[in-house]
Amino acid sequence: QSVLTQPPSVSGAPGQRVTISCTGSNFNIGAGYGVHWYQQLPGTTPKLLIYVNNNRPSGVPERFSASKSGTSASLVITGLQAADEADYYCQSYDSSLSGSIFGGGTKLTVL
Amino acid sequence: EVQLLESGGGLVQPGGSLRLSCAASGFTFSNYAMSWVRQAPGKGLEWVSLIYSGGRSTSYADSVKGRFTISRDNSWNTLYLQMNSLRAEDTAVYYCVKFGQQLDIYNWFDPWGQGTLVTVSS
Repeated sequence: QSVLTQPPSVSGAPGQRVTISCTGSNFNIGAGYGVHWYQQLPGTTPKLLIYVNNNRPSGVPERFSASKSGTSASLVITGLQAADEADYYCQSYDSSLSGSIFGGGTKLTVL
Repeated sequence: EVQLLESGGGLVQPGGSLRLSCAASGFTFSNYAMSWVRQAPGKGLEWVSLIYSGGRSTSYADSVKGRFTISRDNSWNTLYLQMNSLRAEDTAVYYCVKFGQQLDIYNWFDPWGQGTLVTVSS
């Protein structure tokens, strides 16, 4: 069981908007540590999508955005495309574990 | 271009040992903490261990504590993971990852290596 909780799956039609939640605790997200998001396309290595709550590396479309509030964070994808079908993971630091933690991952299906 | 190239994976029997290596290039290796992250077949990502930039401080996930040892050689720009007393549940692709900011252990990982598969089976 992951320290950060994500829904196992979400889905949406092309062009729609989807939200993926990531719930932590006062030892990680609630303690002020940044939340980061990764995209793992089928059969590939995870790729950084969002860092420190809502910053996009160069090359990541503006359709991807994120936010953080209290002990939770969310990734929002707008204008869904078939190419967005992937697994998405949130990540943060946990002071009680003295290390990084990941969410269990959310599989996005584009209908 | 930053590159991380893992090696050393393979098939090992339960109770056996394996040493993974990660050759880094394209950045000042000695300025960055490094980490190992693993992914069991069909499963999610699991942080395994981290080592500070100077190599003196380390941290481990409870699942590997006492069995795995992370180390680095800043002269050779190489990260290592010595894995002992391996169990079937250690079967996974092991990724070498660089922290996104210098001298930092609290933030994001970028980039990720291609990974090396470790299979623990008799």
